[in-house]
Amino acid sequence: DQQVKQNSPSLSVQEGRISILNCDYTNSMFDYFLWYKKYPAEGPTFLISISSIKDKNEDGRFTVFLNKSAKHLSLHIVPSQPGDSAVYFCAASGGSNYKLTFGKGTLLTVNP
Amino acid sequence: DGGITQSPKYLFRKEGQNVTLSCEQNLNHDAMYWYRQDPGQGLRLIYYSQIVNDFQKGDIAEGYSVSREKKESFPLTVTSAQKNPTAFYLCASSTWTGADTQYFGPGTRLTVL
Repeated sequence: DQQVKQNSPSLSVQEGRISILNCDYTNSMFDYFLWYKKYPAEGPTFLISISSIKDKNEDGRFTVFLNKSAKHLSLHIVPSQPGDSAVYFCAASGGSNYKLTFGKGTLLTVNP
Repeated sequence: DGGITQSPKYLFRKEGQNVTLSCEQNLNHDAMYWYRQDPGQGLRLIYYSQIVNDFQKGDIAEGYSVSREKKESFPLTVTSAQKNPTAFYLCASSTWTGADTQYFGPGTRLTVL
């Protein structure tokens, strides 16, 4: 039972445009959400997080939106750069569950 | 320069041998974690530790063992009982288990021949 789903295995965008990566979750106990970026053969790098008491968090070019009623979050990257090309993982935790539950990732390719 | 180190980067072992993967952190984090990543998959939790001399099984602990004798170190042993040991192994740490960010090391690619 996949509690965190990233339904798009890949996404391709042009440099300078917006990248939107989506994530859905099923566990209503989740109250903290994170996005990680990962290059091949490297560890994930933390990008941005959001608590369930907020519906938006922004850090430079990265913005995460949370829609609790829809159990959906998204990561917006504006403007997209070729160096953003990587796999992006959505993760969630909450309740008495210390664990981070990860989605399967979305491969973002930003074309020059 | 704080961070998490994992060694070695690449590891090859023969089937039936136990192998230990190293993870060290100098972030003064209390909690440490081991994950496994397989192609096209997310990260799956193997073991975690909230404090020295204590650790708990994650979702896929069978065939693995850990120890936490020091705050800075959390080695993972992949035993011969692990049926599919070839994978990319990631160690992470955080200030506490709960709503906090986990920071990852660079990973170890284990290949069992």
